[in-house]
Amino acid sequence: QVHLVESGGGVVQPGGSLRLSCAASAFTFSSYGMHWVRQAPGKGLEWVAFIRYDGSNKYYADFVKGRFTISRDDSKNTLYLQMNSLRAEDTAVYYCAKEKGVSFFDYWGQGTLVTVSS
Amino acid sequence: DIQMTQSPSTLSASVGDRVTITCRASQSTSSWLAWYQQKPGKAPKLLIYKASSLESGVPSRFSGSGSGTEFTLTISSLQPDDFATYYCQQYKNYSRLTFGGGTKVEIK
Repeated sequence: QVHLVESGGGVVQPGGSLRLSCAASAFTFSSYGMHWVRQAPGKGLEWVAFIRYDGSNKYYADFVKGRFTISRDDSKNTLYLQMNSLRAEDTAVYYCAKEKGVSFFDYWGQGTLVTVSS
Repeated sequence: DIQMTQSPSTLSASVGDRVTITCRASQSTSSWLAWYQQKPGKAPKLLIYKASSLESGVPSRFSGSGSGTEFTLTISSLQPDDFATYYCQQYKNYSRLTFGGGTKVEIK
């Protein structure tokens, strides 16, 4: 059974940094594009970033461009999200999601909470 | 970006009711649309992709239709497990994915 497990969330001050990880198992990680999607408390879903299966293309939502970096390590079956210059409005549960086909998601992790607060 | 608008934002219904949720796109997404179900504290679950294709393991009471800018998710006979929030998502513009604001289905 496909399993995605996020980690790395926590409380950080505005302007700080965090790196999220997503450990994948039970599928050929290197064959699939991967995404990060977030959900602010009590709000809807918001796509954050995408990395192609081979790492050759990366796309970002405008509100994180230049601050967040998505990457992957296929040798470790792990997806990352480096988040810099964090703002209060980045407070959310961050989910990693596996792509099915082109850019919709058939498996999601349980999410990791990022709280940006002084 | 393609804006996705769902209606209604909240829906009150009873077990056994037929329920329809609408999702409208600000420009054509062809059939590149997915629907998800989310329960409190849980990750979303894929229900429908390519506007009308049922994901494996999803009960057949769920169906999707539409193309272009208007889409619907229908639950033919609402079950207790279906009380949740539903989201549409376009993937026509795969470098700028967008979700609808969600529709919460509540017990009447």
